[in-house]
Amino acid sequence: DQQVKQNSPSLSVQEGRISILNCDYTNSMFDYFLWYKKYPAEGPTFLISISSIKDKNEDGRFTVFLNKSAKHLSLHIVPSQPGDSAVYFCAASRVRGSNYKLTFGKGTLLTVNP
Amino acid sequence: GAVVSQHPSRVICKSGTSVKIECRSLDFQATTMFWYRQFPKKSLMLMATSNEGSKATYEQGVEKDKFLINHASLTLSTLTVTSAHPEDSSFYICSARLAGGHNEQFFGPGTRLTVL
Repeated sequence: DQQVKQNSPSLSVQEGRISILNCDYTNSMFDYFLWYKKYPAEGPTFLISISSIKDKNEDGRFTVFLNKSAKHLSLHIVPSQPGDSAVYFCAASRVRGSNYKLTFGKGTLLTVNP
Repeated sequence: GAVVSQHPSRVICKSGTSVKIECRSLDFQATTMFWYRQFPKKSLMLMATSNEGSKATYEQGVEKDKFLINHASLTLSTLTVTSAHPEDSSFYICSARLAGGHNEQFFGPGTRLTVL
């Protein structure tokens, strides 16, 4: 049972445009969400996170939006750069009672074309 | 800050041998470390949660006698793959959570294990 779903295995955008990566979750107990970026044969790099008490968090070119009623979050990258090309993983956790375990989606491969 | 290292980055071993992978938090203390496994084109699969000074908590389907985890200090956790077989070949990644209630996990660079 996939509790965190990234339904788009890949996304291709032009440099300078907006990249929107989507993530859906099914477990209503999740209250903290994170986005990671991963290059092949490397560990994931933390990008940005959001608590369920917020609906938006922004850090430079990266903005994460959370829609709790729809159990949906998205990562916006503006403007997209070729160096952003990587696999992006959405992750969710329960802050209390779960020892902070992360549940990951399957990832979306973002390709930013020059 | 929040740098996690893994050693070795790559290891090739013969079937039946044991392999130890180290995970260190270099500039922070980590009360909790996690071990993941990633199959090609798949998501990260949590294998176990390791708390300093106590026994690891294994996820369903992960053999604790096969994947031995030790978390002896606030900066070091080790994963030992015992009696490795070719099906254990994978990319193993550790992560560490900052002590003090933070929820972000910081990942090591991963270890590519190939069992011949």
